[in-house]
Amino acid sequence: GQQLNQSPQSMFIQEGEDVSMNCTSSSIFNTWLWYKQDPGEGPVLLIALYKAGELTSNGRLTAQFGITRKDSFLNISASIPSDVGIYFCAGAPSNNNAGNMLTFGGGTRLMVKP
Amino acid sequence: DTEVTQTPKHLVMGMTNKKSLKCEQHMGHRAMYWYKQKAKKPPELMFVYSYEKLSINESVPSRFSPECPNSSLLNLHLHALQPEDSALYLCASSQGGWNRGETQYFGPGTRLLVL
Repeated sequence: GQQLNQSPQSMFIQEGEDVSMNCTSSSIFNTWLWYKQDPGEGPVLLIALYKAGELTSNGRLTAQFGITRKDSFLNISASIPSDVGIYFCAGAPSNNNAGNMLTFGGGTRLMVKP
Repeated sequence: DTEVTQTPKHLVMGMTNKKSLKCEQHMGHRAMYWYKQKAKKPPELMFVYSYEKLSINESVPSRFSPECPNSSLLNLHLHALQPEDSALYLCASSQGGWNRGETQYFGPGTRLLVL
């Protein structure tokens, strides 16, 4: 099925550095979601974005909903070892019914060197 | 509370076995989902239940049989699986409705190994 273009695929950074990742799509979405997944666990929702242009923070994390509604980015400031994991973006269409398909990015694997 | 629970955490089964995965949420969500996830890949949608009715089946083989006994529970019945079905099985739920209803919350997953 369709998959969002998520980049980079992987990052190996030094503790304390800032991280930036993004997702782009050829389709318009009305919701952008960012998840973090640890090995063997389910994805955990980090940030949800609902309006074009919206900029939302969650601690050291900041995400933005692109103005064209076809892209989103996630920034992590001052990375720490527990930031290690796979980050997925996901887009959802608008709806007024329950049950919608999310389109996922391929994931960004983040590795942090202490 | 945005918790989705799944049992069991791990499951090993033979190709002739019958087993079930269970998922529960108490957030009043009206949509529930089953996903399959292989290592280093994003989750792949299998089934969607909307208001307790199956609304999406992503061409999943019949050896996987979903069931939604009520609005809080979702089961996935497994029978005659193949080794390639080994994966992390994730349950998710969403509120449904306008605007923020698409936000899906995932459970911790069941790690399934088929021998």
